[in-house]
Amino acid sequence: DQQVKQNSPSLSVQEGRISILNCDYTNSMFDYFLWYKKYPAEGPTFLISISSIKDKNEDGRFTVFLNKSAKHLSLHIVPSQPGDSAVYFCAAGSTGGFKTIFGAGTRLFVKA
Amino acid sequence: DGGITQSPKYLFRKEGQNVTLSCEQNLNHDAMYWYRQDPGQGLRLIYYSQIVNDFQKGDIAEGYSVSREKKESFPLTVTSAQKNPTAFYLCASSLPHREQFFGPGTRLTVL
Repeated sequence: DQQVKQNSPSLSVQEGRISILNCDYTNSMFDYFLWYKKYPAEGPTFLISISSIKDKNEDGRFTVFLNKSAKHLSLHIVPSQPGDSAVYFCAAGSTGGFKTIFGAGTRLFVKA
Repeated sequence: DGGITQSPKYLFRKEGQNVTLSCEQNLNHDAMYWYRQDPGQGLRLIYYSQIVNDFQKGDIAEGYSVSREKKESFPLTVTSAQKNPTAFYLCASSLPHREQFFGPGTRLTVL
């Protein structure tokens, strides 16, 4: 049972345009959400997070939006750069537990 | 500087042999985790530890074992009971309910 789903395996975007990566979750107990970026043969690195009490969090070119009623979150990257090309993992957790559940990832290609 | 180290980066073993993957952190984090990544899949939790001398099974613990004798160290043993051990293994650590910091990973290939 996939509690965190990233339905798009890949996404291709032109440099300078917006990249939108989507994530859906099923467990209403999740109260914090995170995005990680991963290059091949490396460990993921934390990008940005959002608490369930917020609907938006922004950090430079990266913004995460949370729609609790739809159990959906998205990561916006503006403007996209070739160095953003990587796999992006959505993750969710509950402050009542210790496990973080990861989605399958979306591979982003930013074309120069 | 602080971080997580995993060694070795590549590891080859013969089928039927146990192998231990190293994970060390100097971030002073209480929680540590082991994940497995297979092609086209997300990160699946093998084991996690909230504190020294305590650990819990994750979603795919069968065929694996861990120990947490020191705060800094969380080694993972892949036993011969693990049916499909060839994978990319990632170790992570965190403060409670905060983002996880990952090591560079170990790619294990069982021949």
